[in-house]
Amino acid sequence: AQTVTQSQPEMSVQEAETVTLSCTYDTSESDYYLFWYKQPPSRQMILVIRQEAYKQQNATENRFSVNFQKAAKSFSLKISDSQLGDAAMYFCAYRSAMGGGADGLTFGKGTHLIIQP
Amino acid sequence: DSGVTQTPKHLITATGQRVTLRCSPRSGDLSVYWYQQSLDQGLQFLIQYYNGEERAKGNILERFSAQQFPDLHSELNLSSLELGDSALYFCASSPRDSFSEAFFGQGTRLTVV
Repeated sequence: AQTVTQSQPEMSVQEAETVTLSCTYDTSESDYYLFWYKQPPSRQMILVIRQEAYKQQNATENRFSVNFQKAAKSFSLKISDSQLGDAAMYFCAYRSAMGGGADGLTFGKGTHLIIQP
Repeated sequence: DSGVTQTPKHLITATGQRVTLRCSPRSGDLSVYWYQQSLDQGLQFLIQYYNGEERAKGNILERFSAQQFPDLHSELNLSSLELGDSALYFCASSPRDSFSEAFFGQGTRLTVV
């Protein structure tokens, strides 16, 4: 079974600064997807960014980028120019690409990101 | 707004009771997933339906069941409720021909008293 580990229960960053959230995962599969989801106080789960394991290029979405290290099974999220609206719980998630897409997401425990004004 | 609709938003019920949570997926999405978020267990995948058929099972208790109807909406049935079933229950949907990300509804907050 796959596992996802987020070792930072809480992180704090000054507004406009850069912060990196860590995520490691364990799998024996070679083809899979990785995601970062954001859960603000409204509790809505919002997709931040996704990465296909077969792609070597790191995904980027505006101020959000990832550092995907497949051999190390590491998938960190970098948030540049942090904004107050970035304050939320961030979840790293894994999804197998095997089995015809029949599978759910495996989530880490989450990192609570605090933005200091 | 993700386009996934869950009702009700909040539900309070007593131990031993049965409840039904409802989910309408995004237009065109054939896959529906149910997740449970609790303080103890975090976010856990429960079950997936694809075009009316059960496709994958996660950590779903035998007291829980789900189904997907011809109009693609889904219901999660929770019976013989226990205090530990109190949690946020999410529904998510994903496009037909894609392994892409799932889009989540706003969740149903279930409180068992």
